[in-house]
Amino acid sequence: NAGVTQTPKFRILKIGQSMTLQCAQDMNHNYMYWYRQDPGMGLKLIYYSVGAGITDKGEVPNGYNVSRSTTEDFPLRLELAAPSQTSVYFCASSYVGQGGEPQHFGDGTRLSIL
Amino acid sequence: ILNVEQSPQSLHVQEGDSTNFTCSFPSSNFYALHWYRWETAKSPEALFVMTLNGDEKKKGRISATLNTKEGYSYLYIKGSQPEDSATYLCAFYTGTASKLTFGTGTRLQVTL
Repeated sequence: NAGVTQTPKFRILKIGQSMTLQCAQDMNHNYMYWYRQDPGMGLKLIYYSVGAGITDKGEVPNGYNVSRSTTEDFPLRLELAAPSQTSVYFCASSYVGQGGEPQHFGDGTRLSIL
Repeated sequence: ILNVEQSPQSLHVQEGDSTNFTCSFPSSNFYALHWYRWETAKSPEALFVMTLNGDEKKKGRISATLNTKEGYSYLYIKGSQPEDSATYLCAFYTGTASKLTFGTGTRLQVTL
């Protein structure tokens, strides 16, 4: 059972480049989330999805886009990479979103923008 | 903006010591409090989800208590071992918009 799988694990981008961070889960979870984690800061929610075709903004959505065409996949897109987007990105999923169920996290993608 | 605060920021104990840390959260609109264990170079792993005032949860040598009226939760580790070294995160859920608000964590280091 793979759980939540994120690719790539590491990436270096130049300013202005674009890329997509992939996230897939095989637990049939409805809810999926993207977080970023900066040094000394807690996990900040970028976007989340309550099911296929439905997405919504979190605390720090600027500079990112998401889509959810299937239950399994929730890719995060950076259109014009900026140094402020250097961070570690975590994807997570949960069976329901009411907070009564734990979130399951992927191993993270470490992204550097130079 | 919800504030979830954890203390201390970091802690260094000897093997065999027992220790505890605190998570403080708003006492209004409480729905759930999560604890996660996050080892370096790995992903956060859920320890407990607590929903009722007075809740106590236990997993091996780790236990947690919850006081929703005063807005705090304690995480206890009995007889710390080097493998307990990790960052312990708490996260607060108000029941709206499916969003958890995370604290910045307590980093625990256990040495021999």
